[in-house]
Amino acid sequence: NAGVMQNPRHLVRRRGQEARLRCSPMKGHSHVYWYRQLPEEGLKFMVYLQKENIIDESGMPKERFSAEFPKEGPSILRIQQVVRGDSAAYFCASSDTSGGNSYEQYFGPGTRLTVT
Amino acid sequence: AQSVTQLGSHVSVSEGALVLLRCNYSSSVPPYLFWYVQYPNQGLQLLLKYTSAATLVKGINGFEAEFKKSETSFHLTKPSAHMSDAAEYFCAVRLYGNKLVFGAGTILRVKS
Repeated sequence: NAGVMQNPRHLVRRRGQEARLRCSPMKGHSHVYWYRQLPEEGLKFMVYLQKENIIDESGMPKERFSAEFPKEGPSILRIQQVVRGDSAAYFCASSDTSGGNSYEQYFGPGTRLTVT
Repeated sequence: AQSVTQLGSHVSVSEGALVLLRCNYSSSVPPYLFWYVQYPNQGLQLLLKYTSAATLVKGINGFEAEFKKSETSFHLTKPSAHMSDAAEYFCAVRLYGNKLVFGAGTILRVKS
């Protein structure tokens, strides 16, 4: 069973460009979470999605950031007009809803975004 | 509000020595607690979890943690450190609605 897949693993963008980060959850998982890890800090929750629905976006910056998890295909975290402060590692996690294991989140390898 | 505090951003032990990484939480309801490990430039791997069953939780790679409600603690231990244990360790609490709140992390260094 393949784990959580994220691509690209590394992404370099100039200031003002757009960044698109992709996440494919584990097979059978219908819940996706995005976290951001700034240098020297722990992970911070950004958004929680189910298929075609945003459940909780309380950790998303108010501007330039958006996320989706369409019926078909991966979840996308989109950052418009990137700034240097967006440089970070972005991690995706997924969970299922079967039995009592819906609380366990499995993490992908992350996408390391560098804004130059 | 629920939060997690990890005492000590860096811990250094000798190979074969006891590993103790500290985590305290604040929660208004019985918590679900987790320890994750992160190796350089990799994602997070779940070491163990507490979900209100046994208070002593055994995880992978010889790690275990004990939930102490009276102390609001969930410290991670391993009897004998190995060089391969060198990594960053994160304690996390699950909030209502499934999101995880992480501590700031503890970098474990193992000396030969």
